[in-house]
Amino acid sequence: QSALTQPASVSGSLGQSITMSCTGTSSDVGYYTYVSWYQQHPAKAPKLIIFDVTNRPSGVSSRFSGSKSGNTASLTISGLQAEDEAHYYCSSYTTSRTLVFGGGTELTVL
Amino acid sequence: QVQLQESGSGLVKPSETLSLTCAVSGVSVSSGGFSWTWIRQPPGRGLEWIAYVLNSGSTSYNPSLRSRLSISIDRPKNQFSLKVTSVTAADTAVYYCAREVIGLGSRWYFDLWGRGTLVTVSS
Repeated sequence: QSALTQPASVSGSLGQSITMSCTGTSSDVGYYTYVSWYQQHPAKAPKLIIFDVTNRPSGVSSRFSGSKSGNTASLTISGLQAEDEAHYYCSSYTTSRTLVFGGGTELTVL
Repeated sequence: QVQLQESGSGLVKPSETLSLTCAVSGVSVSSGGFSWTWIRQPPGRGLEWIAYVLNSGSTSYNPSLRSRLSISIDRPKNQFSLKVTSVTAADTAVYYCAREVIGLGSRWYFDLWGRGTLVTVSS
């Protein structure tokens, strides 16, 4: 099962909004609502920020939101803050009964 | 407070077996509604799901690794373990244990993670 496709990097200025994509196929992102997003700071474990495409865990800022259209899921971060600078990974369950992750997007806050 | 803590072999020789344990505190691994999972991350690269075990002992493995994997749960010790046989340099990674929440129509996301442990395969 191939990994999901994420842009290697995105950037945005403090206070602005950014959206990053996660492209899969009709066998994973396009088939299931089991799409999640994780934030990972250097040398830290990933942190869950979105699950089931659009849901935020308790304690995660409302500045983070998720969506999906067809085979592509998206993560939007509004009101960018310096602490948002991190790597972001998406994941999806697949019809092959396995879980795949994207290659990750590095977010730079300018 | 629920915590997960990995431990195990930090340096493994090629062709040998990698063994890791995840000690769980604050929740029983016998509780329903969760799977107990291993995920790894090669240095500078992305995440890879490895396997999970349920409180019942049922397991699921990444098909690309299945032939070399064994995951198990130890209810008295409140921990779960992973073994990877015939390791190569490609198995060098930070290995994370994590908890997956299984709800009605909702799963395949990991709400709690250990800090991770680096396993290096080298002679």
